[in-house]
Amino acid sequence: EPEVTQTPSHQVTQMGQEVILRCVPISNHLYFYWYRQILGQKVEFLVSFYNNEISEKSEIFDDQFSVERPDGSNFTLKIRSTKLEDSAMYFCASSERTDEAFFGQGTRLTVV
Amino acid sequence: QKEVEQNSGPLSVPEGAIASLNCTYSDRVSQSFFWYRQYSGKSPELIMSIYSNGDKEDGRFTAQLNKASQYVSLLIRDSQPSDSATYLCAVKPNAGNNRKLIWGLGTSLAVNP
Repeated sequence: EPEVTQTPSHQVTQMGQEVILRCVPISNHLYFYWYRQILGQKVEFLVSFYNNEISEKSEIFDDQFSVERPDGSNFTLKIRSTKLEDSAMYFCASSERTDEAFFGQGTRLTVV
Repeated sequence: QKEVEQNSGPLSVPEGAIASLNCTYSDRVSQSFFWYRQYSGKSPELIMSIYSNGDKEDGRFTAQLNKASQYVSLLIRDSQPSDSATYLCAVKPNAGNNRKLIWGLGTSLAVNP
């Protein structure tokens, strides 16, 4: 069964460092998303991506965040200068033309 | 502020019973509604989607939607210990190409053998 894959599963970084979280969406999907979940809190939308551009972003997705689809398969989230409050689980998801989004297993980001 | 509300639980049911999970949402124009299951430390797993008023059944799961009351529920029949997880309600608040989901905090379900 096709699935969304994310790497790494866990990333520890020092405050102020840049991190890149990587995702391979399901191959025939057209829409890609990043969400995050701080421990014990709601899942929060960060950004959606369609047709090689950002289609929507939340207030959380400020200038420190960026997304790229550098080739036909990968979808990345970059955080330029990490803060302690960026510590969370980051989930990549993808969907076809329907609204049903399928999630990867997540990257646990710990900023120290 | 568009909100999705769920009773955090925990909801405890005996094995074989029906578990009933509820969700309300604030945005009247919401179009699509989803139930995800999340095991501790894992990612959300889609189990049901519903778009029209009424019931939708898939195996042991039934989703119910009432747009007039802004209410969506999930029934799990013949509950199994493996159903023990947090159930997240997610709502797509807009029509058109904006596809972000707004999430509830989730209801923790414990199925006791």
